[in-house]
Amino acid sequence: QVQLVQSGAEVKKPGASVKVSCKASGYTFTTYGISWVRQAPGQGLEWMGWINTYDGNTNYAQKLQARVTLTSDTSTTTAYMELRSLRSDDTAVYYCARRSSEVDYWGQGTLVTVSS
Amino acid sequence: EIVLTQSPDFQSVTPKVRVTITCRASQSIGSSLHWYQQKPDQSPKLLIKYASQSFSGVPSRFSGSGSGTDFTLTINSLEAEDAATYYCHQSFSYPLTFGGGTKVEIK
Repeated sequence: QVQLVQSGAEVKKPGASVKVSCKASGYTFTTYGISWVRQAPGQGLEWMGWINTYDGNTNYAQKLQARVTLTSDTSTTTAYMELRSLRSDDTAVYYCARRSSEVDYWGQGTLVTVSS
Repeated sequence: EIVLTQSPDFQSVTPKVRVTITCRASQSIGSSLHWYQQKPDQSPKLLIKYASQSFSGVPSRFSGSGSGTDFTLTINSLEAEDAATYYCHQSFSYPLTFGGGTKVEIK
């Protein structure tokens, strides 16, 4: 069965960076892209970006483009999201999700807390 | 950027009634509109893809319709387990976007 297992919760100070991993299994990794979506406490879903796991092409939300990098490792079927220069309003649950056109399966989410 | 506007924001309903949630796109997106259900402290789950196609394993009481700019998610005969927030999402063009969500509460 399709599974996306994310790394554990993180606590970071403002200005730091965080890197969240997303281990995929149960399907051919390079056949689907990976989207990243975040959700601030009590808020809705915000699309962050997408990576084509076959060729590494990416597309980012404009507001995050300068601070976020998506990568993937086909040898370990793992996708990564790195967010730099963290601010308090980056506190959120970060999700990875499998995507062909629609997003179908989601990871369990990773809580990133930014606090001094 | 395509803006998705959902209505209502909140709905409190009794079991067994029909619930209708709408999603309006700021420009035509064909049928590239998908619906998700998110329960508290859980990841979103895909219910309907491409406006009207049910995703595998989703109960038949969930259905979707629409095309262009106006879309509807219908829950027939609401059950207690359907208490959740529902989101629409467009994959027509980048940046991909989500609606603001509709919270459905069971009375």
